[in-house]
Amino acid sequence: ETGVTQTPRHLVMGMTNKKSLKCEQHLGHNAMYWYKQSAKKPLELMFVYNFKEQTENNSVPSRFSPECPNSSHLFLHLHTLQPEDSALYLCASSPTDDTYNEQFFGPGTRLTVL
Amino acid sequence: GQNIDQPTEMTATEGAIVQINCTYQTSGFNGLFWYQQHAGEAPTFLSYNVLDGLEEKGRFSSFLSRSKGYSYLLLKELQMKDSASYLCAVVDSNYQLIWGAGTKLIIKP
Repeated sequence: ETGVTQTPRHLVMGMTNKKSLKCEQHLGHNAMYWYKQSAKKPLELMFVYNFKEQTENNSVPSRFSPECPNSSHLFLHLHTLQPEDSALYLCASSPTDDTYNEQFFGPGTRLTVL
Repeated sequence: GQNIDQPTEMTATEGAIVQINCTYQTSGFNGLFWYQQHAGEAPTFLSYNVLDGLEEKGRFSSFLSRSKGYSYLLLKELQMKDSASYLCAVVDSNYQLIWGAGTKLIIKP
């Protein structure tokens, strides 16, 4: 139990659908992250939030829209995705967004775009 | 460009020792992480090295040589549950975290 939960664990969607991924952390951290993990590729950092403010957007296409209503919750809203967006989407948290902090990951949402 | 190199896959025998290497070419260095990720599960923190040398934590040890741009993770007395992917990540001079693609370790009885 890492203290970071993600729902749903699996998601299949069509290219015209709209869906949202949810992440919740129970660790009292102030920073939250979205990563994309594709097979045999490095983790790709998508977004970083620190104290609810977005501090990093790594040139992510606008079809991915993050939302951080408070330090414990993070959402990733998806719309008009492409098949190449199929991947494991990991959420993580850390005390602050300083990169020397250990990050605590959720189990991920396995996304398949048809 | 920035690059982290790790072997894609390694196989080892239960009870043996295995060393997983990570070499990096980054713009500066401010620390190196190792994470373990079991299939279908979250990555979990193993170690963080900033200074040269070997740090031991039970059956797992992590070594760093900043002058060589090199680290390794040493796993002793391998158990079947050590079958997982091992991710190396470096903090560069801009305090960005650069991730390797991970090494899938297969343990055979």
